[in-house]
Order: sequence, then C-alpha cells, then structure tokens
Amino acid sequence: EAGVAQSPRYKIIEKRQSVAFWCNPISGHATLYWYQQILGQGPKLLIQFQNNGVVDDSQLPKDRFSAERLKGVDSTLKIQPAKLEDSAVYLCASSLGGGRRRNEQFFGPGTRLTVL
Amino acid sequence: GEDVEQSLFLSVREGDSSVINCTYTDSSSTYLYWYKQEPGAGLQLLTYIFSNMDMKQDQRLTVLLNKKDKHLSLRIADTQTGDSAIYFCAERKNTGFQKLVFGTGTRLLVSP
Repeated sequence: EAGVAQSPRYKIIEKRQSVAFWCNPISGHATLYWYQQILGQGPKLLIQFQNNGVVDDSQLPKDRFSAERLKGVDSTLKIQPAKLEDSAVYLCASSLGGGRRRNEQFFGPGTRLTVL
Repeated sequence: GEDVEQSLFLSVREGDSSVINCTYTDSSSTYLYWYKQEPGAGLQLLTYIFSNMDMKQDQRLTVLLNKKDKHLSLRIADTQTGDSAIYFCAERKNTGFQKLVFGTGTRLLVSP
C-alpha cells in the first residue's frame, strides 16, 4: 500500500514570497491533516479535512495560510506571504476517519520550509 | 493549557532498557499514542493505549498509563542503535473532532 506522498521535500524562499505544498493521502482515507512542526517541537495541527470539507482550522493563521482539498483527495497548503517564523516542517497525514475508534493517522515525510 | 510534556533527551547503552515519560493534559482523552520520528522522515506510529487500560505490551515495547496522574510511559526493552530517534507521545482529545495533541518529543540516543 502506498503511503502519504508530499512534495516538494525541501523549499527555500525569501520572506514575503509565496509557497505551496502538495499532499496525496492514502487511497480511501477520508480525513486529511496538515501539521506544522517547528524545530525542537512536536507537530501542531493546522487544519483537518473530512472529505473535501474543513472540520477544524482553529490553529491556521488565516491571514496568510490557506488550504484546500478539491474532490476530497489531494490537498494543497499555501502560505502567502511567508514570514521568517514559518520556517518549519509541514507534515501531511491521513486516516480512514468516519468515527472509527482507533482512527490511526499515517504521516508523509514532510516538506521542510526555510524562509530567509 | 495544551502542553503535553516530555523530557528532552535520554541516552542509554545498547542492550539496556529505555523509559520515556510523558505527562498529558486531558483526563478525558480517549487514546494515547507513541510515535517515532527518524531524521528526515515523518512520524511512525509505534503503539497506542486506550484510556481504560493501564498497561499494554507489544514485543519490546511496554506502555504504562497512570490515568489519575495523567502520566504515560514507554519502555523499550533491549534497546538497539536503530531505536535512536525522537519519540513523541500524543493524546487524542475527547472533544470536537478528536484532534491529536503532541508532546515536545524526547530524543533517544543509543550508544554501542
């Protein structure tokens, strides 16, 4: 079974530029998550989708971050404009969802963003 | 607050047991997880425990849960150099859409 795919793996941009990340979840997984992991910290949930609808974006800085999941499969996360403090690894995860008791999340390898 | 706390660093010798500790925040959390992260990789689920259990064993891994103190531990028996990684505990909130809240991570270094 293919895992969660993310691209690019690395990105270096200057502050005030824009950047976009792409995620392809495991086939059949209804729930998709984007996390931000700052160096030395644990992942922090930015946004959670159930199919193509947003169910939790309470920690997404909406003035600069946006995400979409068209057709309930792939997702993109965009930052516009980027700030220095956005330097982090952006992790995508997916799960079967649907209220399953265990609902294990499977993580992609992440995109490491450096903002100069 | 939302801070799940872990000690930052643990160093052991190969063959010894490792114990990684975690204090979580929400006594109503339903599941508690241990994830492993190797350099440049995403998170890999190692094991989990349901909140009505106090112990779970899975090969070399033993999870202990003290719900009264909101304390979780992961014991790795016969630690190997391949176990060197960062270990995160996470609690699954029993509110809303049951999001995961992760700890700060414990870096385990296993020396030969």
